[in-house]
Amino acid sequence: QVTLRESGPALVKPTQTLTLTCTFSGFSLSTSGLCVTWIRQPPGKALEWLARIDWDDDKYYSTSLKTRLTISKDTSNNQVVLTMTNMDPVDTATYYCARITTVAGTPLVDYWGQGIVVTVSS
Amino acid sequence: DIQMTQSPSSLSASVGDRVTITCQASQDIINYLNWYQQKPGKAPKLLIYDASYLEAGVPSRFSGSGSGTHFTLTISGLQSEDFATYYCQQYDNFIFTFGPGTKVD
Repeated sequence: QVTLRESGPALVKPTQTLTLTCTFSGFSLSTSGLCVTWIRQPPGKALEWLARIDWDDDKYYSTSLKTRLTISKDTSNNQVVLTMTNMDPVDTATYYCARITTVAGTPLVDYWGQGIVVTVSS
Repeated sequence: DIQMTQSPSSLSASVGDRVTITCQASQDIINYLNWYQQKPGKAPKLLIYDASYLEAGVPSRFSGSGSGTHFTLTISGLQSEDFATYYCQQYDNFIFTFGPGTKVD
């Protein structure tokens, strides 16, 4: 059974760095074709893709946010960490981690965590 | 970056209706297009991948079509559990972009 769970602070102050951890089970990020991605959703707004890390440690970032984001993995502990620097109130959102399965070159976001609500406020 | 638009942004429908949602990409994405359903307070759920392939376990009343820059999600015979927001998502060159969503209520 595949599960993912996000953890981190519920509240951060402007200019601080946000660190979120995705702890997963039911799969290994050393398996070819598997990836973990982060997606966020501001209240009442659309989904926004942030970053992705692949089984082979390739990393990809949103063009608009790439200067602020870092994604890394700890395969032995089944965790993926996302850091976002210089947080601003507009970064207030629910942050999801999710698994990507690559099938014949197609990336499918097939399992999602429940999401973590992060509020940026002084 | 590739931009995605969806229309309409919202629609009102009744059980049994045929519902069509369109998604347009700012450049040719071949068929690199997925559709997701999201209900309030829940994570999204994958419905359609590669523009027209039904994800396992998704009811056959959902279908997708299109290629290039224009794509369509159709729900044939809307059910009460289908009232939700639907997002398209492209995945060209390892970068994902979501559309703004279409709320079906």
